[in-house]
Amino acid sequence: EAGVAQSPRYKIIEKRQSVAFWCNPISGHATLYWYQQILGQGPKLLIQFQNNGVVDDSQLPKDRFSAERLKGVDSTLKIQPAKLEDSAVYLCASSLVPGNYGYTFGSGTRLTVV
Amino acid sequence: SQELEQSPQSLIVQEGKNLTINCTSSKTLYGLYWYKQKYGEGLIFLMMLQKGGEEKSHEKITAKLDEKKQQSSLHITASQPSHAGIYLCGADSPYGGSQGNLIFGKGTKLSVKP
Repeated sequence: EAGVAQSPRYKIIEKRQSVAFWCNPISGHATLYWYQQILGQGPKLLIQFQNNGVVDDSQLPKDRFSAERLKGVDSTLKIQPAKLEDSAVYLCASSLVPGNYGYTFGSGTRLTVV
Repeated sequence: SQELEQSPQSLIVQEGKNLTINCTSSKTLYGLYWYKQKYGEGLIFLMMLQKGGEEKSHEKITAKLDEKKQQSSLHITASQPSHAGIYLCGADSPYGGSQGNLIFGKGTKLSVKP
């Protein structure tokens, strides 16, 4: 079974620029998550999708972050404009059923904002 | 909201020594996950515990769940350099905006000296 695919692996941008991350979950996984992990901290949930609908985006900074999962499969997370404090690892995860054993994480995208 | 506290924050051990990492929850644990992470990369699933008193082992790593104490411990026997990394505990979050996502502790950074 193929894992959760994320790209790019690394990205360096200047502040005020925009950036986009892509995630392709495990085939058949209806639930997709985006987490932000700042250095030295645990991952924090940004947004949770169930198919192509948003379940929880309460911690997503909506003035600069946006995410979509148009066809209920792959997803894109965008930051525009980026700030220095957005430097973090962005992790995508998927699960067959929310709240069920079986969260699978991708390799992450390490973003550096300079 | 639920919080997970991990201790210690960091740990340096000599190869061959045993070690224990603890994860304490501020609320009842419904499912406790242990992940390992290399710096700046994705999360690798280790184990998941659901029932009080449950204990699971994988190779030289054993995890236990003490439901009454709202605590889990991860024990590594005869540590090796390959065990080095960041260990994260995560819990199913039935509180807050939605169910079916994980909240995490801040992680424990393990270094193993050869």
